[in-house]
Amino acid sequence: GAGVSQTPSNKVTEKGKYVELRCDPISGHTALYWYRQSLGQGPEFLIYFQGTGAADDSGLPNDRFFAVRPEGSVSTLKIQRTERGDSAVYLCASSYRGSAGELFFGEGSRLTVL
Amino acid sequence: GQSLEQPSEVTAVEGAIVQINCTYQTSGFYGLSWYQQHDGGAPTFLSYNGLDGLEETGRFSSFLSRSDSYGYLLLQELQMKDSASYFCAARDDKIIFGKGTRLHILP
Repeated sequence: GAGVSQTPSNKVTEKGKYVELRCDPISGHTALYWYRQSLGQGPEFLIYFQGTGAADDSGLPNDRFFAVRPEGSVSTLKIQRTERGDSAVYLCASSYRGSAGELFFGEGSRLTVL
Repeated sequence: GQSLEQPSEVTAVEGAIVQINCTYQTSGFYGLSWYQQHDGGAPTFLSYNGLDGLEETGRFSSFLSRSDSYGYLLLQELQMKDSASYFCAARDDKIIFGKGTRLHILP
């Protein structure tokens, strides 16, 4: 596709369940970022990949959160034992090698934990 | 730690000029970006400053002073469609965002 694609756009789950959020970046973009955004706040950094490896995962809040990018394109953010505090919009962004500060964002996955 | 500070809200009149300031504190620093986000939408890139000085892109300009760890976004000839949230973002290896400035525009 032309832009960054995120699925699902909306996910409602119950406390304690497992959730996967998928991001398909722009073709050829080597860097992929995951952010979490709550209402009225800025995007909170979670993790970013250069190629297949996680270059920096310092933003993952705890070990319930994990992300993979096995082939250097599509990425999946996995959340185990979801909690109500995990409710937020999860944003994915990608950028091309040589890009300075420009990220291309997807429309986000809105996660609601009941 | 790493942090970016920007005002939470700014109000201006249609047709006027507004400046949104950003100060940053990061362990490493390559440059400062600005993003716009309308309600319910995704952030979209506006500008990037890797060097000190002013970058101009149409009605929007952005400024950086590395020595002061400070930058700003200048919006000219404000239009109602500019009502949105604006984020500064600092790049070291990763990109970290500020909490955002909500811009209200009065007719």
